[in-house]
Amino acid sequence: DTGVSQDPRHKITKRGQNVTFRCDPISEHNRLYWYRQTLGQGPEFLTYFQNEAQLEKSRLLSDRFSAERPKGSFSTLEIQRTEQGDSAMYLCARTVLSSTDTQYFGPGTRLTVL
Amino acid sequence: TQLLEQSPQFLSIQEGENLTVYCNSSSVFSSLQWYRQEPGEGPVLLVTVVTGGEVKKLKRLTFQFGDARKDSSLHITAAQPGDTGLYLCAGTYNAGNMLTFGGGTRLMVKP
Repeated sequence: DTGVSQDPRHKITKRGQNVTFRCDPISEHNRLYWYRQTLGQGPEFLTYFQNEAQLEKSRLLSDRFSAERPKGSFSTLEIQRTEQGDSAMYLCARTVLSSTDTQYFGPGTRLTVL
Repeated sequence: TQLLEQSPQFLSIQEGENLTVYCNSSSVFSSLQWYRQEPGEGPVLLVTVVTGGEVKKLKRLTFQFGDARKDSSLHITAAQPGDTGLYLCAGTYNAGNMLTFGGGTRLMVKP
């Protein structure tokens, strides 16, 4: 158990629809990261939070993407007007206070845009 | 752009053989992690290395961090079919910041 749950595990949507994913880390007051992984590739960084503050965003995070962590606990990632190129696995990861170098990943949300 | 090159991309071996996966960068890592990922699941942490020259062992897996902290290797002894999966190396260039992943090594161990 990595201490990270993600919901939903799978999402199929039609192009142009909005989707929202949720990530729940086991504890608060740690860093929370979002990554995207396309088929056959390693994950790519999207954004991260320290508590409720969004500290860094990748250039991959276009205007259609928005992430929040309103109370420094769970986080949401929303994609507006989905495109077929958004189809990927969206991964959430947390660190622990004792070792900010190490990230523990959730099971991911697999998004398919038709 | 900080890149992390992983090799080989694919590896198909027989049960009982040994193998080594390499992870290289032109930049110095603050730390490096190795993960294993099954289809449809998130990466599962195998090890974190932070000190140049560090060697860590996890049963039949041996992880080495280069002296200059620019490269790492994963060696598996007597591979088993249960070792089949995608192996990912990922480095941080600043403590607590984002991970930069290699492209992964897809390992298949045939019985």
